[in-house]
Amino acid sequence: ETGVTQTPRHLVMGMTNKKSLKCEQHLGHNAMYWYKQSAKKPLELMFVYNFKEQTENNSVPSRFSPECPNSSHLFLHLHTLQPEDSALYLCASSQDSRDSLLIFGNGTRLTVT
Amino acid sequence: DAKTTQPPSMDCAEGRAANLPCNHSTISGNEYVYWYRQIHSQGPQYIIHGLKNNETNEMASLIITEDRKSSTLILPHATLRDTAVYYCIVRVAYSGNTPLVFGKGTRLSVIA
Repeated sequence: ETGVTQTPRHLVMGMTNKKSLKCEQHLGHNAMYWYKQSAKKPLELMFVYNFKEQTENNSVPSRFSPECPNSSHLFLHLHTLQPEDSALYLCASSQDSRDSLLIFGNGTRLTVT
Repeated sequence: DAKTTQPPSMDCAEGRAANLPCNHSTISGNEYVYWYRQIHSQGPQYIIHGLKNNETNEMASLIITEDRKSSTLILPHATLRDTAVYYCIVRVAYSGNTPLVFGKGTRLSVIA
């Protein structure tokens, strides 16, 4: 366990479904991140939240909708996804968004059919 | 942040030292060198970081050249569990400008 917990670990969804990914940390961190890792590609930063405020949106399509209700929880709401959105979605946290020491969860493996 | 260059893959015999190189010739004076690794189907894990002095912890050693244009991560006695992708990242330690960006890294295969 890394201290960052992601659920579910695996998710299969159809293109018309709506689902949510959940990330939770109790490390006292104030920044949380979503990264996407497609097959054989580097990690791509999607969103950054710092003290519950979104500070980075890396040109992510609107079918991905993040939510950060408090500093310990981060969600990624998914709707009308495409098969190319199939990937490993990783959550991370750090002391704040300036910190370079990130703690990652083990990800949610998403398959869109 | 400065760009880094790493070999795409390396092999290492189990029990031997694994030396993973990283070039960062455009590194600035206030940028640190960070190393993370990602074991298959897991999230990246922080290993070590340094500015100019060599660093050692329970996981690895980091050797930074005097001109700081390159560095080497050393796993002194590689085990099969060290098989992973290793990422070298250069960034100001406490930066508000850019988030941590991962490149393609080096895929290290430890062979029995």
